Amino acid sequence: EIVLTQSPATLSLSPGERATLSCRTSQSVSIYLAWYQQKPGQAPRLLIYDASNRATGIPARFSGSGSGTDFTLTISSLEPEDFAVYYCQQRYLWPPITFGQGTRLEIK
Amino acid sequence: EVQLVQSGADVKKPGESLKISCKGFEYSFTNYWIAWVRQMPGKGLEWMGTIYPGNSDTRYSPSFQGQVTISADKSISTANLQWGSLKASDSAMYYCARQRSGFNLDMDYDYWGQGTLVTVSS
Repeated sequence: EIVLTQSPATLSLSPGERATLSCRTSQSVSIYLAWYQQKPGQAPRLLIYDASNRATGIPARFSGSGSGTDFTLTISSLEPEDFAVYYCQQRYLWPPITFGQGTRLEIK
Repeated sequence: EVQLVQSGADVKKPGESLKISCKGFEYSFTNYWIAWVRQMPGKGLEWMGTIYPGNSDTRYSPSFQGQVTISADKSISTANLQWGSLKASDSAMYYCARQRSGFNLDMDYDYWGQGTLVTVSS
C-alpha cells in the first residue's frame, strides 16, 4: 500500500497570501496524484488530477506540480472560500486507492 | 447535470444489517467506476472499494475486504454498500464517488454523492 504524507498538518494564512501544501508518497506514483478540497459538511471536491491538471470549473489560482514522490498544491492568492481541508490521493497502484491525512488551511 | 444521490441517514444497533445506496443521474452509469469512501468523525478519507456497474467487476481495499459488500444494479443506475453485521466502529459518513474518466482504470473522482451518515449505537 502506498502511504501519502501531507505537510503541514495545519497552515495558518491570511486572505491574499500564497499557500503551499505538500504531499509526499512512500514510493513513486509517477504523475498519478490528485488533490481535493473539503469544506465542513460537504463532500470532497476534485481540484487537480494527474499532478497538474485543473479539474473542470476550478479557478486558475489553484495549481499543482510534482512527479515521482513529491507533489505540491499552490493557491496563488487565498480567497475567503479557500479555507478548508485539502487531501491528496494516488491512483498509481491500487487497490487500495490511498489518501493523505489532510492539511487544514485556516484563517490567520 | 451529473449527480450522485445517496440514501438518507440511518441509525442501527450493533449486529444489525444495512444497505445504503447511490443513484447516478445524467450520465452512462454502466461506463464509470463508482467508489465508496468512508470518513469517520473528524478524520480523513478512506477508500473502501469500487465497482464497475457495466460488468459488476468489484475491487476492495484489504482493510474492508470481508467487512462490507459492494454491488450495483445497472437497471436502476444504483450502487450499494452493505453490511451484514454492523459494529459501533462503522459509525461514519459514507460517500460514493464517480471516476473522472470512464472506460478505463483511472481512479480519481470528479462527482461525489452528498454522503450518508451511518450511526451504530445500542
